[in-house]
Amino acid sequence: QVQLVESGGGLVKPGGSLRLSCAASGFTFSDYYMSWIRQAPGKGLEWVSYISSSSSYTNFADSVKGRITISRDNAKNSLYLQMNSLRAEDTAVYYCARGGTYSSSTNFDYWGQGTLVTVSS
Amino acid sequence: EIVLTQSPDFQSVTPKEKVTITCRASQSIGSSLHWYQQKPDQSPKLLIKYASQSFSGVPSRFSGSGSGTDFTLTINSLEAEDAATYYCHQSVGLPSTFGQGTKLEIK
Repeated sequence: QVQLVESGGGLVKPGGSLRLSCAASGFTFSDYYMSWIRQAPGKGLEWVSYISSSSSYTNFADSVKGRITISRDNAKNSLYLQMNSLRAEDTAVYYCARGGTYSSSTNFDYWGQGTLVTVSS
Repeated sequence: EIVLTQSPDFQSVTPKEKVTITCRASQSIGSSLHWYQQKPDQSPKLLIKYASQSFSGVPSRFSGSGSGTDFTLTINSLEAEDAATYYCHQSVGLPSTFGQGTKLEIK
């Protein structure tokens, strides 16, 4: 069955960096667009970034543009989110989610359990 | 950015009741509207894709309808396990956006 397992969250000071990982299994990872979506404590869902199946295309929310890089290693069935210049407002649970096979314009059919990032001094 | 507005924000309902949640888009999105269920301390789960297509394994009491700017999620004969927050999501425009959520409480 499809499994997505995030890791790498934790407590980081403002201005610091963190790298999140998502390990995928149960499907052909290299066929799918993947996204990161976050949820601040007690708040709703915010799409953060996506990457195409072959890494040719990426896109970012304006709130993180210039501070975040998304990447993937299809040989390792892994997705990554490098977060720099972190701010208090980046505090959230970060989910990786599976998108479509041909386009970014699809639903997210499977989600990981999330990893909590806390930005605080 | 396409804004999705859900109503109501909160609803307290009794088991076996029929529930309707609406999602209105700030511009036409065709049928690129999806619904998710998030139970406390869990990740979201896809219920309905492209306005009316049920996702695999989702109980038949969940259904969706609509197109353009107005969409509806209906839960027939509500069960206690349906207590959750429900989100709509549009995938036609960038950034991909979500509604603010509708929290369902079971009396």
